[in-house]
Amino acid sequence: EDQVTQSPEALRLQEGESSSLNCSYTVSGLRGLFWYRQDPGKGPEFLFTLYSAGEEKEKERLKATLTKKESFLHITAPKPEDSATYLCAAKEGGSEKLVFGKGTKLTVNP
Amino acid sequence: NAGVMQNPRHLVRRRGQEARLRCSPMKGHSHVYWYRQLPEEGLKFMVYLQKENIIDESGMPKERFSAEFPKEGPSILRIQQVVRGDSAAYFCASSPGGEQYFGPGTRLTVT
Repeated sequence: EDQVTQSPEALRLQEGESSSLNCSYTVSGLRGLFWYRQDPGKGPEFLFTLYSAGEEKEKERLKATLTKKESFLHITAPKPEDSATYLCAAKEGGSEKLVFGKGTKLTVNP
Repeated sequence: NAGVMQNPRHLVRRRGQEARLRCSPMKGHSHVYWYRQLPEEGLKFMVYLQKENIIDESGMPKERFSAEFPKEGPSILRIQQVVRGDSAAYFCASSPGGEQYFGPGTRLTVT
């Protein structure tokens, strides 16, 4: 069965303290690895799509990377407004559905 | 460009009633997806539709749930005879083919 596992479940950082979130996946014929941000009471907000091992994408303080078995979301010098739940999702070959992990709840303290 | 729109944002139903959730995709998007998020769980795929066609309903419960995306108008997720276990946030996403963009969700509470 396809599976996406995120770790840690929760992460507390001080403002400016860089860290990484992990997403490991087991899907057949990966057709895309997606990162979303979700704020409480809102829908997921699209951040990145990665398609092949070695690919990297950046947006402000966030950088997403992909290997054959996992993806990392690196957060550099985070600010309190980066506090949110970060979701990872995989799309397997032959399907359009996204398989989501349970997310990492990030809290950045001022 | 307006984002994905869902209504209502909050819906309260008594056990046994019907719930209708609506989703208007982003302009130019012909692919619509429905996901359900239960408390303390991740988003789970329910159904994927294109105009007038159900493409993949592998995540839909076999009974009481149905979805449509008519030629004109929004996509509808319909839950008949709701039970307490149906209480969840239901999210719609749309796509031109590729990334999926999510709406704000409908939070269904069954009392």
